[in-house]
Amino acid sequence: GQQLNQSPQSMFIQEGEDVSMNCTSSSIFNTWLWYKQDPGEGPVLLIALYKAGELTSNGRLTAQFGITRKDSFLNISASIPSDVGIYFCAGRSGGGYQKVTFGTGTKLQVIP
Amino acid sequence: DAGVTQSPTHLIKTRGQQVTLRCSPKSGHDTVSWYQQALGQGPQFIFQYYEEEERQRGNFPDRFSGHQFPNYSSELNVNALLLGDSALYLCASSFLAGGGTDTQYFGPGTRLTVL
Repeated sequence: GQQLNQSPQSMFIQEGEDVSMNCTSSSIFNTWLWYKQDPGEGPVLLIALYKAGELTSNGRLTAQFGITRKDSFLNISASIPSDVGIYFCAGRSGGGYQKVTFGTGTKLQVIP
Repeated sequence: DAGVTQSPTHLIKTRGQQVTLRCSPKSGHDTVSWYQQALGQGPQFIFQYYEEEERQRGNFPDRFSGHQFPNYSSELNVNALLLGDSALYLCASSFLAGGGTDTQYFGPGTRLTVL
């Protein structure tokens, strides 16, 4: 099945550093979503973006909906150990009935 | 306020068998979507149920079927299990009726192992 391309695939950073990851698609999406998944749990929604160019923050997290509607990025500022996990982007082309397509994931490790 | 719950937590089956997974949506939600997550990959959309009907379907064979009950809970059935069906099966619920937010909330998943 189709999956969005996320980069980097994995990253190790020092506590306190900023993190940036992005997601690209060959298709246009109307909604971009960013999730975090901890081991043994389901993904948890971090940020939802509904409009091209939109920049939205949730605490130390900031995400943007690309102007082309084919990409999105997520920034995490001043990383802390609990930021460890796998981050997934996801896109949807229509309204709530439309399927959500997930990215390949970025695994984040934070070194204290 | 209970979140999305799934049962069982873990399941081991053999090839050719059939399995049923269950999901109870978050309180107030009316829509259930099912995803398959293979190890090291992102979730893959299987299908979505709203008002007891399948509304959208991903690229999965007919061996995968589902049902939604009047209380909005849902089941995922997989027939003739293959080794490749081994994965974490995630249920996500959302609220669509009346133009409510369609943000999906995920359950913890059911880990299916096919031997």
